Amino acid sequence: QQQVKQSPQSLIVQKGGISIINCAYENTAFDYFPWYQQFPGKGPALLIAIRPDVSEKKEGRFTISFNKSAKQFSLHIMDSQPGDSATYFCAASIQGTYKYIFGTGTRLKVLA
Amino acid sequence: GAVVSQHPSRVICKSGTSVKIECRSLDFQATTMFWYRQFPKQSLMLMATSNEGSKATYEQGVEKDKFLINHASLTLSTLTVTSAHPEDSSFYICSARGGIPGELFFGEGSRLTVL
Repeated sequence: QQQVKQSPQSLIVQKGGISIINCAYENTAFDYFPWYQQFPGKGPALLIAIRPDVSEKKEGRFTISFNKSAKQFSLHIMDSQPGDSATYFCAASIQGTYKYIFGTGTRLKVLA
Repeated sequence: GAVVSQHPSRVICKSGTSVKIECRSLDFQATTMFWYRQFPKQSLMLMATSNEGSKATYEQGVEKDKFLINHASLTLSTLTVTSAHPEDSSFYICSARGGIPGELFFGEGSRLTVL
């Protein structure tokens, strides 16, 4: 019940295309859902986050879609660029704590 | 966003020695920090929660005597890997709470290689 399932494991997108990464969870106590971007040898950097009281949040080229009833959320990267090539992790935070449960990660490669 | 700094970024040591990794919050006070471990091409796994002025809370399966955590000030937490062995080789990342509820900022990570 503490797992966050992430798919796909890897993704290849053409430059200018849309990258979509999906995550699903079981624990309804989760109340904060961030997405992190990680480059090789670096720590994860916060991209965008959402709470369950909204269904969508957009920041620049990055959009989170959230479906509370289905317990799913996804990251959309519009106009994907080669510089977006990285590993993306979704996470969920347990209510009242800052303990993150991370998804398994998606390795995105954007072709020039 | 808040800046979390780790040192060293890379460390190589011999089996049986101890290694200390520092995690600092540079522009804010962090009463709570978190230590994660990441194996190559895998996800981040929470090891322990470091609380300023009190004992760390370890996740199930993490040996508290092997991974010593000290949080002596509001800006510094340290992780000491004692009697390191090759299987302890990993990427260790710390994080600290940001200003927004639920938000965490991560350090750059420390790559430990035990020969």
